[in-house]
Amino acid sequence: QVQLVQSGAEVKKPGASVKVSCKASGYTFTSYDINWVRQATGQGLEWMGWMNPNSANTGYAQNFQGRVTMTRDTSITTAYMELSSLSSEDTAVYYCARCGRDSSGYYCDYWGQGTLVTVSS
Amino acid sequence: QSVLTQPPSVSGAPGQRVTISCTGSSSNIGAGSDVHWYQQLPGTAPKLLIYGHTNRPSGVPDRFSGSKSGTSASLAITGLQAEDEADYYCQSYDSSLTGVVFGGGTKLTVL
Repeated sequence: QVQLVQSGAEVKKPGASVKVSCKASGYTFTSYDINWVRQATGQGLEWMGWMNPNSANTGYAQNFQGRVTMTRDTSITTAYMELSSLSSEDTAVYYCARCGRDSSGYYCDYWGQGTLVTVSS
Repeated sequence: QSVLTQPPSVSGAPGQRVTISCTGSSSNIGAGSDVHWYQQLPGTAPKLLIYGHTNRPSGVPDRFSGSKSGTSASLAITGLQAEDEADYYCQSYDSSLTGVVFGGGTKLTVL
């Protein structure tokens, strides 16, 4: 069965960086994009960007350009999202999701369990 | 401010029918981009509910249905059940932003 298992909760100080991992299993890792979406407490879903694990191509939302980096290690079917220059506004749950495009459009059919990142001095 | 607009909340009694709207623009839904819906139960990750406007993944009850017209889409839930109480998000692709866009989410309360 398809599973995306994310790394554990993180506490970071303002100005620091955080790197969240997303271990994929149960499917061919290079056949689907990995997208990252975050959700602040009580707020909606905010799309951060996508990565193609096959080509390593990426696309980032304007709000995160210059501050986010999405990478992968195909040997261990794991995707990573690193966010730098953290501020309190980055406190949120970060999700990875398996996404792809077919005749029904581009959508995400499996999601990780989420990783809480808390930014506090 | 989300690119796709949803009502913040809707409510209905058990057994009733409710609809949730999702309004976009000419660069996303109006441009022909498909609309997808996710259900997020409290404290859990989003779950794909409807894809390609109207399709349901395996295991999703047929009480959930989707539609699209022009620059808007709708999610309908019939025969409301207590377990349907959740947040619902629409999602599409925006050609101007070259990326995924979400609605702001709608909280469904089952009275």
